[in-house]
Amino acid sequence: KAGVTQTPRYLIKTRGQQVTLSCSPISGHRSVSWYQQTPGQGLQFLFEYFSETQRNKGNFPGRFSGRQFSNSRSEMNVSTLELGDSALYLCASSLGGQGTHEQYFGPGTRLTVT
Amino acid sequence: GDSVTQMEGPVTLSEEAFLTINCTYTATGYPSLFWYVQYPGEGLQLLLKATKADDKGSNKGFEATYRKETTSFHLEKGSVQVSDSAVYFCALTLNFGNEKLTFGTGTRLTIIP
Repeated sequence: KAGVTQTPRYLIKTRGQQVTLSCSPISGHRSVSWYQQTPGQGLQFLFEYFSETQRNKGNFPGRFSGRQFSNSRSEMNVSTLELGDSALYLCASSLGGQGTHEQYFGPGTRLTVT
Repeated sequence: GDSVTQMEGPVTLSEEAFLTINCTYTATGYPSLFWYVQYPGEGLQLLLKATKADDKGSNKGFEATYRKETTSFHLEKGSVQVSDSAVYFCALTLNFGNEKLTFGTGTRLTIIP
């Protein structure tokens, strides 16, 4: 079974621009979560989508948004990029639904804002 | 709020040494606990998990026991190898259909031959 894939793997953007990152979950997984990883703040939860609905949201400004499509693929968007948005963005998928499920992570998208 | 505190790194050990990485948690509910590992340039891989008190998770020679009385989930391995060099993250999630993981700060482990 194919793992979680994320595209692109690397991205360089300029302050003020916007960016869209994509995540394809494992087949059959309906939940997709996004995390930001930085050396200073560690791993922080951005949001989770389940069956095309945002089910949970972390403490990030409204510049960070996401969506999920009917095939469970998800995108996250960051508008008006700031230098502090430079990070590794990780996507994770799981079955979702009732109970606690293992989350499987993709390799991440490394975003550099200059 | 919910939080995970894990041992500060970096940790450097010789091959075949015994490993312990401490992890304690604070949670408003009854969490499930996880250890994830991140190798250089890669995403996170689930190493092991435990979903209720006294459960022991194990994988690849690593073990951790869910201790509710001490709110701990310490990671142990009896004999480490160079290939175990990575960053290890302790994490929790509350149940109720909530997939949000709360992570510790990570512990960088380096094994020298």
